[in-house]
This record gives sequence, C-alpha cells and structure tokens, in this order.
Amino acid sequence: DTGVSQDPRHKITKRGQNVTFRCDPISEHNRLYWYRQTLGQGPEFLTYFQNEAQLEKSRLLSDRFSAERPKGSFSTLEIQRTEQGDSAMYLCASSPSWTGNTEAFFGQGTRLTVV
Amino acid sequence: GENVEQHPSTLSVQEGDSAVIKCTYSDSASNYFPWYKQELGKRPQLIIDIRSNVGEKKDQRIAVTLNKTAKHFSLHITETQPEDSAVYFCAAIREGGSEKLVFGKGTKLTVNP
Repeated sequence: DTGVSQDPRHKITKRGQNVTFRCDPISEHNRLYWYRQTLGQGPEFLTYFQNEAQLEKSRLLSDRFSAERPKGSFSTLEIQRTEQGDSAMYLCASSPSWTGNTEAFFGQGTRLTVV
Repeated sequence: GENVEQHPSTLSVQEGDSAVIKCTYSDSASNYFPWYKQELGKRPQLIIDIRSNVGEKKDQRIAVTLNKTAKHFSLHITETQPEDSAVYFCAAIREGGSEKLVFGKGTKLTVNP
C-alpha cells in the first residue's frame, strides 16, 4: 500500500489515560500534517513537519499534545491525560513541498473516543 | 497566517442542477488552492485544484475559478448527481514556502433525486 496509513483506526480510552497514534506517510513526501476533525467540521490544523522539523504548532493545541517525526518518515501524535473534549477523528496527511506538487494525501484517520 | 472562509455550510440542490461553493482566503501569497470531497466515514480526497497562475480549471462536471484580486475561489459542479452528495472542503497554501495547508470549514452538499 503506497498511501498514507494511520494506526490504530479506532481508539477508545478512559479519561486521564495517554494515547499515541502513528502515521506513515507516502515515502517520498517530506511534509506531514496532523489535523483534528469533529463531526460536521473541516480539518482543524494541529501541527506539521517538514522532514523531521516541526515547523508550526497550532495555538489551539494544549501542552498535553505532542508530536514527533524523528527520522523524517513516520510520525506519532501523543495525547496525555485525555479529556472528553479530545474525542475526534485525527487525520494525518502528507505531501511533497516543492512548487507545483503540493497535493496532500490523507490517511483514513484515527477515531478517538474518550469515555 | 492564512485564514480560509467557506460558504455556504450546507447546500441542497435537485439532481441535475448546478452547485456553487465559495471560499475566500486572507494571505495574498497563497498560490495553490485544492478542493477535497469527503464522503461519510471516509478520508478527504482531492477532486480538483488550481494554482494562482490560472483563472479557471475544468474537469468534466467540476470546475474551479480563482480571482486573485478579490482573494476568492469557487467550486462549480454542473449536472449534479446523488453521488455528488458529500462534504466539500476548500484549502489554501503558499507552495514553495513554509506555510501550512489551511482548510475551510466545509460545505455539506445534498443532491436530491
């Protein structure tokens, strides 16, 4: 499969627990995004990487959220001390970053439910 | 940073009619504008895009227009079909820069048979 893959697809966790999601981008893509999507809303930007560098982090992202892309390939998104408001679909997307070719491809997402 | 506004939030049309969704962006340096379609429970998928060096692009029943001066772009779907029912998102980015891809809040299109 040469598309963007995310794992797990679904996660149910109790409030207060930590969770970690993984995203494997398309191999030649050096840009990787994390978005959060709630029902009926557009993808809300969380953070993005160019290779291993985290270039921007949304001001909406609390200190409980952290993302890494240690070798410029796969990325992880960790949420510590989860809250019910964290329940959402977490989408990962990847793209090239050179002019003329920035189409972003999305993974199928990780649906998080905090109970 | 970039901000993208999208209207309307919901749109209902009869099969065969046309649908138009409009977006405005704030950063005049943005130069790439993709449109994504998201069916229920599925990932967003690119359906058409336009770069700032052209004013219009068409692909069968869908077209996108761009007005750089006014900083707005629109998606046009003609001869709508029930399978066009989905949520559509516009987005904007400055290609070649360090800017992020920013999405509008989406338009839920319903095509009634």
